[in-house]
Amino acid sequence: EVQLVESGGGLVKPGGSLRLSCGASGFNFSDYSMNWVRQAPGKGLEWVASLGSRVTYIFYTDSVKGRFTISRDNAKNSLYLQMNNLRVEDTAVYYCSRKGSYYFMDVWGKGTTVTVSS
Amino acid sequence: SYELTQPPSVSVSPGQTASITCSGDGLQNKYVSWYQQKSGRSPILLVHQDIKRPSGIPERFSGSNSGDAATLTITETQATDEADYYCQVWASSTAWVFGGGTKLTVL
Repeated sequence: EVQLVESGGGLVKPGGSLRLSCGASGFNFSDYSMNWVRQAPGKGLEWVASLGSRVTYIFYTDSVKGRFTISRDNAKNSLYLQMNNLRVEDTAVYYCSRKGSYYFMDVWGKGTTVTVSS
Repeated sequence: SYELTQPPSVSVSPGQTASITCSGDGLQNKYVSWYQQKSGRSPILLVHQDIKRPSGIPERFSGSNSGDAATLTITETQATDEADYYCQVWASSTAWVFGGGTKLTVL
């Protein structure tokens, strides 16, 4: 079964850091570009960052540039999101997703919740 | 930056057809995907590349894209179709873009 499982969320103070992880199984992880997408409470989906299959490209949404770093370890079938200098507005459920054959996201994890609050 | 606009809400009676629109400049020149997100759940892919359905998605869900608007059509709408629906495109200047989402209510 194709599966993505996120972990690492939690409660952190403004200015703090968290590292999210996404474990992949059921497919050849190294062949796929991956993404992080977030959803603030009661809000819509917001793309956060993307990483090519062999780190061929990296993209970030403007609001996280310079604060978040996306990375992967193909040997461990894992995707990561290092989040530094967190802000209250980063509070959201963070989803890991797989890029399909074109620009769509065909597999999603269940998400991990990040709460930034003093 | 590129933007996609969706109506905040759409209502439909059970068994009827629901249409959810997504508008954006020159949208016909981009491939549109649609996602369904039920309350408390992760999004799932319903339609990609305007009209293609992943395996397991019922034929009741279909997509179209023409001019500056794309449409997700749900025929024979069921109570279980109540969810939020999002359109999405790739825009080279803005990377991945999602619409604001449409809440479908089956009355």
